Amino acid sequence: GQQLNQSPQSMFIQEGEDVSMNCTSSSIFNTWLWYKQDPGEGPVLLIALYKAGELTSNGRLTAQFGITRKDSFLNISASIPSDVGIYFCAGHLKAAGNKLTFGGGTRVLVKP
Amino acid sequence: EPEVTQTPSHQVTQMGQEVILRCVPISNHLYFYWYRQILGQKVEFLVSFYNNEISEKSEIFDDQFSVERPDGSNFTLKIRSTKLEDSAMYFCASRRTSGGADTQYFGPGTRLTVL
Repeated sequence: GQQLNQSPQSMFIQEGEDVSMNCTSSSIFNTWLWYKQDPGEGPVLLIALYKAGELTSNGRLTAQFGITRKDSFLNISASIPSDVGIYFCAGHLKAAGNKLTFGGGTRVLVKP
Repeated sequence: EPEVTQTPSHQVTQMGQEVILRCVPISNHLYFYWYRQILGQKVEFLVSFYNNEISEKSEIFDDQFSVERPDGSNFTLKIRSTKLEDSAMYFCASRRTSGGADTQYFGPGTRLTVL
């Protein structure tokens, strides 16, 4: 089946820093989604990308759908403490049915 | 803003018991899903449901699992005889149909603990 490799697995942020994470796949996707999950809660949709090359922003978040349709990145600018959490990329491929395939997550933590 | 809701938030059960997890998808959505997340791991697809039937299921979704839409609003996941390894967060999701876009919205999850 499809696999999504998400990196980094974890990162420490300092307030005000920009943060970047990405996902790569060996196969193409039609849709890329980025979710944030806080402890004990469900994934909350941040950004949805539907076309190769698409660059979309949602406040301080920016995500891009790679031209090859095999990768996507998420940037968070000027991070704040509430950005802490786990960020998941997810891909959808029409030929693979309705399911989303999730990456392993990037855990964002605050620098002590 | 409409959202997916799930009950209960936490279910504790003994191994071998049956459990039913309940979800109320967003009202104008037509596609429904169950996913699970074992502690510390990624979210995994279990099953998708459309037009009152399963449209796809993963290898995790064996004969112990079943789904149902008993009325116009609820969507349930039943595990007939729970095993220790069924302990996980179970998320329901729903999708609107809009020109092929596949944005799935997730509920807050049910934490299932099998003792």
